[in-house]
Amino acid sequence: DSGVTQTPKHLITATGQRVTLRCSPRSGDLSVYWYQQSLDQGLQFLIQYYNGEERAKGNILERFSAQQFPDLHSELNLSSLELGDSALYFCASSVDSVGTEAFFGQGTRLTVV
Amino acid sequence: AQSVAQPEDQVNVAEGNPLTVKCTYSVSGNPYLFWYVQYPNRGLQFLLKYITGDNLVKGSYGFEAEFNKSQTSFHLKKPSALVSDSALYFCAVRDRDRGSTLGRLYFGRGTQLTVWP
Repeated sequence: DSGVTQTPKHLITATGQRVTLRCSPRSGDLSVYWYQQSLDQGLQFLIQYYNGEERAKGNILERFSAQQFPDLHSELNLSSLELGDSALYFCASSVDSVGTEAFFGQGTRLTVV
Repeated sequence: AQSVAQPEDQVNVAEGNPLTVKCTYSVSGNPYLFWYVQYPNRGLQFLLKYITGDNLVKGSYGFEAEFNKSQTSFHLKKPSALVSDSALYFCAVRDRDRGSTLGRLYFGRGTQLTVWP
């Protein structure tokens, strides 16, 4: 168990809908990272937050947004969902902002139908 | 641009034999290098990392990796494979230089390792 908790584990929703994925980092970790894993794109970095502030942005669509709350948990919001958004979404956390060692959650499998 | 290549989609070995999962990278400057393993329906588990120092890094579950700067490679190895090692293995790099997205990991496409009894 990495100590990173993601909910829900599975999510099935229809196209056009909006969903929220939640991540609780390891105790003491200040950074949260979101990654998307799909068959065609592999593992892609989406966004990083450090102590409540956005630190880095990757290949994140404008329909997607994230935030990190004062208690350091993070949420990834996906809106106007398309079939191609179906993927495994991972959250990772690290104690620092440079990800010296990142620990991953078990992921949320999103299926858009 | 940073990139990671895992040239083999699949590696098959017999239990007890040595295994190697290959990784090469292309980054500006000197990177930090990582190996992660993913079991079915599980998240990514950290195996080992190279930051600096000895080119041979030892990690979890008997795995080790050799950093070769001239060949820009970071191959994962294990002297004697177990059936339970069967999983998807990812190589990843992180930039070391200031001013870049320091925490971000760049992943390879993954290599499926199958160890048969």
